[in-house]
Amino acid sequence: AQSVTQLDSQVPVFEEAPVELRCNYSSSVSVYLFWYVQYPNQGLQLLLKYLSGSTLVKGINGFEAEFNKSQTSFHLRKPSVHISDTAEYFCAVIIRMDSSYKLIFGSGTRLLVRP
Amino acid sequence: NAGVTQTPKFQVLKTGQSMTLQCAQDMNHEYMSWYRQDPGMGLRLIHYSVGAGITDQGEVPNGYNVSRSTTEDFPLRLLSAAPSQTSVYFCASSYSKGSGGTSYNSPLHFGNGTRLTVT
Repeated sequence: AQSVTQLDSQVPVFEEAPVELRCNYSSSVSVYLFWYVQYPNQGLQLLLKYLSGSTLVKGINGFEAEFNKSQTSFHLRKPSVHISDTAEYFCAVIIRMDSSYKLIFGSGTRLLVRP
Repeated sequence: NAGVTQTPKFQVLKTGQSMTLQCAQDMNHEYMSWYRQDPGMGLRLIHYSVGAGITDQGEVPNGYNVSRSTTEDFPLRLLSAAPSQTSVYFCASSYSKGSGGTSYNSPLHFGNGTRLTVT
């Protein structure tokens, strides 16, 4: 069965430090990869996506992610975080099955940025 | 352009009561869906629709009904609420390829959620 694993449920980090949020997926078919961010009391919004082409994808708010097919990973990174980056981050995979697409979310990683 | 609008924001129900969570979008999206969010479990798909008159079950459909009479609206009905349905519910929409499921290159647009407590 296809799945998405976010190994860290919570990541505390100091302001201006770099951060990496990990995401691994299991699938033997073509995938499309996404990171969504959820700020407190809000819905999710798209941070970045990988569909094809360059494996390094840049998103909003200075985030980027790298698709690694051999390791089936799509880790999210930011070189210097701000207090305002405190939120929950969800990795998601769209798996193509015949002519339809199935979206699967990971369990989420809560990023806590401390001053 | 309001995007995806969910009402109510908060709701408390007693076991056995019924209610409808409302969802409306003004982006002319074909695809609409309902998710529930529970701690440590991410988002799980309840039901989805790829157009008016077409609905299908997701990962956790039991205890919920949906209908899609218009492109804009996709209400979620709880027929007989149970404590296990205490959760945060999100409605999401996107463009669709039309062949089932969401479009791979169209991001989901989420509402702000409905926090439901069943006592």
